[in-house]
Amino acid sequence: ETGVTQTPRHLVMGMTNKKSLKCEQHLGHNAMYWYKQSAKKPLELMFVYNFKEQTENNSVPSRFSPECPNSSHLFLHLHTLQPEDSALYLCASSQDSGRSYEQYFGPGTRLTVT
Amino acid sequence: DQQVKQNSPSLSVQEGRISILNCDYTNSMFDYFLWYKKYPAEGPTFLISISSIKDKNEDGRFTVFLNKSAKHLSLHIVPSQPGDSAVYFCAAWTAGGTSYGKLTFGQGTILTVHP
Repeated sequence: ETGVTQTPRHLVMGMTNKKSLKCEQHLGHNAMYWYKQSAKKPLELMFVYNFKEQTENNSVPSRFSPECPNSSHLFLHLHTLQPEDSALYLCASSQDSGRSYEQYFGPGTRLTVT
Repeated sequence: DQQVKQNSPSLSVQEGRISILNCDYTNSMFDYFLWYKKYPAEGPTFLISISSIKDKNEDGRFTVFLNKSAKHLSLHIVPSQPGDSAVYFCAAWTAGGTSYGKLTFGQGTILTVHP
């Protein structure tokens, strides 16, 4: 595998379900990011991790819970989501967060909340 | 408050002609400006960037122009090819006084290049 991978690519979940999104980067980077892209809206930064430490939480509701066990893996745990949370969730990585203008993105997970 | 705006949702161009994608921003503290390209079912991929101290950067068929006084940047693709058909995102970066930086994206412009 090369670059940034995300699984699953598509996810449909009910509002009472608990699910997790997974991101893995094979670039040797130290910073990882979660973004949300809703229809006809710009990408919105959700979380930033630098060397496994969370350095940014962009006022994201607690029903989204990130986890970064090491610099290569990033998870987004989801529980009791709302239909308006349906969106494309993108993971990205960069060498470190100080050089976050060079971000490499995964293909995204298309999430539908029913 | 949207700091980076792409006012044209879509652009249609004939193959071989020039494509010009535009972007406006409001924050004069941005340090870098970037263009990302996104194909369906793929994540955005970095295309070209420009530092805020420059006014032009060229890479093959792609040139980015920055007009700081107008807070405007543009991406020129010459000549346009059908494979350039994608969504193009303008993004701006600033360290913002933190130990890390932050990318702010525009809404994207769908470019269609017709054969």
